[in-house]
Amino acid sequence: AQKVTQAQTEISVVEKEDVTLDCVYETRDTTYYLFWYKQPPSGELVFLIRRNSFDEQNEISGRYSWNFQKSTSSFNFTITASQVVDSAVYFCALSPNNAGNMLTFGGGTRLMVKP
Amino acid sequence: GAVVSQHPSWVICKSGTSVKIECRSLDFQATTMFWYRQFPKQSLMLMATSNEGSKATYEQGVEKDKFLINHASLTLSTLTVTSAHPEDSSFYICSARNQGPRYGYTFGSGTRLTVV
Repeated sequence: AQKVTQAQTEISVVEKEDVTLDCVYETRDTTYYLFWYKQPPSGELVFLIRRNSFDEQNEISGRYSWNFQKSTSSFNFTITASQVVDSAVYFCALSPNNAGNMLTFGGGTRLMVKP
Repeated sequence: GAVVSQHPSWVICKSGTSVKIECRSLDFQATTMFWYRQFPKQSLMLMATSNEGSKATYEQGVEKDKFLINHASLTLSTLTVTSAHPEDSSFYICSARNQGPRYGYTFGSGTRLTVV
């Protein structure tokens, strides 16, 4: 069984603050993928990152960075210098590395960035 | 590349009627598509896995006779909510697995269903 936990249901920050969204996962698979998606108020899911379980290198993309710690089964997401446009619900998700398998989503974290 | 088109984006229907939602992969073949439901302020819950040319696999608790899924071609999967009731009002999102190295899964833009 797979499980993804996002303990923070809502986070509120002021613009330009850094914010970290936590994600902890459980899986018995040795090979899997981890994802982060952004869901703005319009509802569509915006892909942010996919990470293979064998690749523990941290990744940075502009103001976004991800910290993958296999030892603690965590895949945290940090936004530096947050902006109002970052306000959205962010989902962490897990998928085994088998063709056709579905994503298991965390409960999501609603991020509110205030001006 | 790897675009999934979902229609309609929103629909309002009367209680007791049926609603069909389409999900098309525009530039790739999707042998497997997934249908999710999302209630307000909740996460996405998988309803069923749709496989081209075969019966869909439904998750526990999802009524297969109420949520009819058809995946007749490699680019089209449909979800029909039959005899809709107000409690079926939700946001429905489809997803297709693609072989692209970056994405893995591509999502439709979602359908907001309101049953009155």
